[in-house]
Amino acid sequence: ELKVEQNPLFLSMQEGKNYTIYCNYSTTSDRLYWYRQDPGKSLESLFVLLSNGAVKQEGRLMASLDTKARLSTLHITAAVHDLSATYFCAVVPVAGGTSYGKLTFGQGTILTVHP
Amino acid sequence: DVKVTQSSRYLVKRTGEKVFLECVQDMDHENMFWYRQDPGLGLRLIYFSYDVKMKEKGDIPEGYSVSREKKERFSLILESASTNQTSMYLCASSQYPRAHEQYFGPGTRLTVT
Repeated sequence: ELKVEQNPLFLSMQEGKNYTIYCNYSTTSDRLYWYRQDPGKSLESLFVLLSNGAVKQEGRLMASLDTKARLSTLHITAAVHDLSATYFCAVVPVAGGTSYGKLTFGQGTILTVHP
Repeated sequence: DVKVTQSSRYLVKRTGEKVFLECVQDMDHENMFWYRQDPGLGLRLIYFSYDVKMKEKGDIPEGYSVSREKKERFSLILESASTNQTSMYLCASSQYPRAHEQYFGPGTRLTVT
């Protein structure tokens, strides 16, 4: 059974600082997604990482995937208040047959950026 | 843009009631999903559907059922609501070939008293 674990689950940052959110998963997968959820809102796709070594960047966020280590990171550079949200990673479970688009989500990391 | 809508943003029901949560997507997507979101547990898959009238159990199907009579609509049914089903419920849809890129609805916060 695929398990996806994020850490930390809570992250309080000062504006201007850097930090990394980690997403570990337990079985083989070569695709990973990062989503953002603003308070009271639904999930929005941030990044799709489709192969080992994939790196995607948008603004102050950069995501990477290491399939051999079963690890993805979401790096935040020079945090600003607007980045305050909950961030989820989601992994495509690899198993025999068709997955029908199923994803397994991590617990989410609640990020709060303080002035 | 894909639009996924859910029938209610907030819902309050009593224990033992039958509850229907509706989800509609407007992009002819084959796949639809129901999740519940709880603090510290992330999103957990309840049921999904890959075609009209086709459904499969997710990770936590107990106490729930689903219905997909039309391609655009996927309903989640709580046959007899219980307090431990108080949660945020999220619907999502996707289509091939990018079946894992899911588009989410706004969510329904259900409280069972």
